[in-house]
Amino acid sequence: TQLLEQSPQFLSIQEGENLTVYCNSSSVFSSLQWYRQEPGEGPVLLVTVVTGGEVKKLKRLTFQFGDARKDSSLHITAAQPGDTGLYLCAGGRGVQGAQKLVFGQGTRLTINP
Amino acid sequence: DAGVIQSPRHEVTEMGQEVTLRCKPISGHDYLFWYRQTMMRGLELLIYFNNNVPIDDSGMPEDRFSAKMPNASFSTLKIQPSEPRDSAVYFCASRLFDGNTEAFFGQGTRLTVV
Repeated sequence: TQLLEQSPQFLSIQEGENLTVYCNSSSVFSSLQWYRQEPGEGPVLLVTVVTGGEVKKLKRLTFQFGDARKDSSLHITAAQPGDTGLYLCAGGRGVQGAQKLVFGQGTRLTINP
Repeated sequence: DAGVIQSPRHEVTEMGQEVTLRCKPISGHDYLFWYRQTMMRGLELLIYFNNNVPIDDSGMPEDRFSAKMPNASFSTLKIQPSEPRDSAVYFCASRLFDGNTEAFFGQGTRLTVV
């Protein structure tokens, strides 16, 4: 059973379009992180959200943490081919907060020129 | 710092053989994680350590899997005996004590068991 469900699992769109990917759970997390993974490499952190309702922007990427800290979304504006990759959300849980880091299955994004 | 270093990058072994994967975390990081990634199951947490002590090994699939961290700069993940279904990319990651900090990943070990 996946603790974090990501949707869609695959997404292929044209350059210039907007998109949103989702990360949902029935559990509350101390924090939510988004990572991007390129082929042959490990995931690399994009952002961390900690407060319910928090919104963070990273250039054309907008991240939101749900009010109840159970879900998150990633919105990309005017997608570019360089945005292609595997996007993973990760939730922190543990006795002292966010020690245990579990990942969703990922959204494989392809941006076509 | 060179980042998290994993070895080997690729490993091909025959079913039944012992396999040992190695990881050197970033110096000063308190937490070390072992993950397994497959297309079907995504990135699964196998086990994680805090200050060299195993905290949660509930993700270790079977007794065939074992992990150790004899000191702050080295960890191993061993599979004995290996099976074809163990074929996957195994990642090691480390992070600082503060749970909201970035987990830094190694480049992974691609294991193929034939």
